[in-house]
Amino acid sequence: GAVVSQHPSRVICKSGTSVKIECRSLDFQATTMFWYRQFPKQSLMLMATSNEGSKATYEQGVEKDKFLINHASLTLSTLTVTSAHPEDSSFYICSARVGTIGETQYFGPGTRLLVL
Amino acid sequence: AQTVTQSQPEMSVQEAETVTLSCTYDTSESDYYLFWYKQPPSRQMILVIRQEAYKQQNATENRFSVNFQKAAKSFSLKISDSQLGDAAMYFCAYRSRDNNNDMRFGAGTRLTVKP
Repeated sequence: GAVVSQHPSRVICKSGTSVKIECRSLDFQATTMFWYRQFPKQSLMLMATSNEGSKATYEQGVEKDKFLINHASLTLSTLTVTSAHPEDSSFYICSARVGTIGETQYFGPGTRLLVL
Repeated sequence: AQTVTQSQPEMSVQEAETVTLSCTYDTSESDYYLFWYKQPPSRQMILVIRQEAYKQQNATENRFSVNFQKAAKSFSLKISDSQLGDAAMYFCAYRSRDNNNDMRFGAGTRLTVKP
């Protein structure tokens, strides 16, 4: 199947700093990429959807100025957590899809963020 | 809005036996997609099986099969000949055909496989 990578796999930062997470589709071009957040022992919550070259669409309740998403190419999307605070500590997962209708989403391995 | 319900927070199965994980969903749409994803301790989400709502035939992938009951809005996953490597969190997911960017996940079922 298609492979999606994320970097870094885990990051620890101080409160107030910004953290960038990269998501890459390694063997396919991703028309659409998704960013999810997963709290311990909970399900995935969609944060935003991005199409290459377009502004991301954020889910209700997700601060777009705090979680900056850039989908600069068909193989790369980045999520920047700006001025991170301890409550932003979570597991962030990206997902990528080739086409539109009916296409399967492939998930990255996730990034664990811990804000001290 | 569509919702996905997994009523079994935890399940366990003996190695080599069969287990069924339940999933129900609520929707007013007639065309959609259903998925089962596996999330092992590594946290990597892995697609197990998918089903298009317009297909009456139940999807099958090796030891994994589904029982798709469209009228009942039920989508259960059967794992046959369970292996130790099947131990993971299993998420049922729904995606609309019209709103293709909105994939809804259930709360998950943690499967334990006993040797």
